[in-house]
Amino acid sequence: DIQMTQSPSSLSASVGDRVTITCQASQDISNYLNWYQQKPGKAPKLLIYAASNLVAGVPSRFSGSRSETDFTFTISSLQPADLATYYCQHYDNLSFSFGGGTKVEIK
Amino acid sequence: EVHFLESGGGLVQSGGSLRLSCAASGFTFSSYAMSWVRQAPGKGLQWVSSISSGGGGTYYEDSVKGRFTISRDNSKNTLYLQVNSLRADDTAVYYCAKLRRGYEAFDYWGQGTLVTVSS
Repeated sequence: DIQMTQSPSSLSASVGDRVTITCQASQDISNYLNWYQQKPGKAPKLLIYAASNLVAGVPSRFSGSRSETDFTFTISSLQPADLATYYCQHYDNLSFSFGGGTKVEIK
Repeated sequence: EVHFLESGGGLVQSGGSLRLSCAASGFTFSSYAMSWVRQAPGKGLQWVSSISSGGGGTYYEDSVKGRFTISRDNSKNTLYLQVNSLRADDTAVYYCAKLRRGYEAFDYWGQGTLVTVSS
């Protein structure tokens, strides 16, 4: 089975800071990596699909990239509305799995 | 606008059963695979099961195989999850989610229904 390692598990940053979250796959998963935002008490929301494609209507401060088996999610300028937990998710062989999540707090 | 209305959750004793429903609107339900994803209190997301657009293909996470059954009624635009032999560790909010074709991403989610299993 492919293992996904998401880090960090939590972070605290100031408004305007650049925030980076990573997911590392144990083997090649091509671009089958998606990123979600979950605000407290709400359902998750898809932000990025296929590693780097921004969902329509999602602010451009969110972005995703891939370097081989390393995937990066970036918030270019953290806003108060970005308080949430962020998850990566991948697909392999008829099953899906999520990273452990990164809780983003505002200093 | 895509919308899901989930129902069927509740408090059940260990070993009991429930049938979760997810009524969909705002898109051509019969054209898309659908899934259930759950979240235990204070924990992360866990994929539970998926079903192909026509219902002929069903897939399950290992811990629920043989206990949970996913199904759909495309004439009613409704997704189901029959959950049997419930255990305490099945306690979670269960979300239905639509799959984005070709990218295997969950692009729309319901509001969730809470299943609580008491021992």
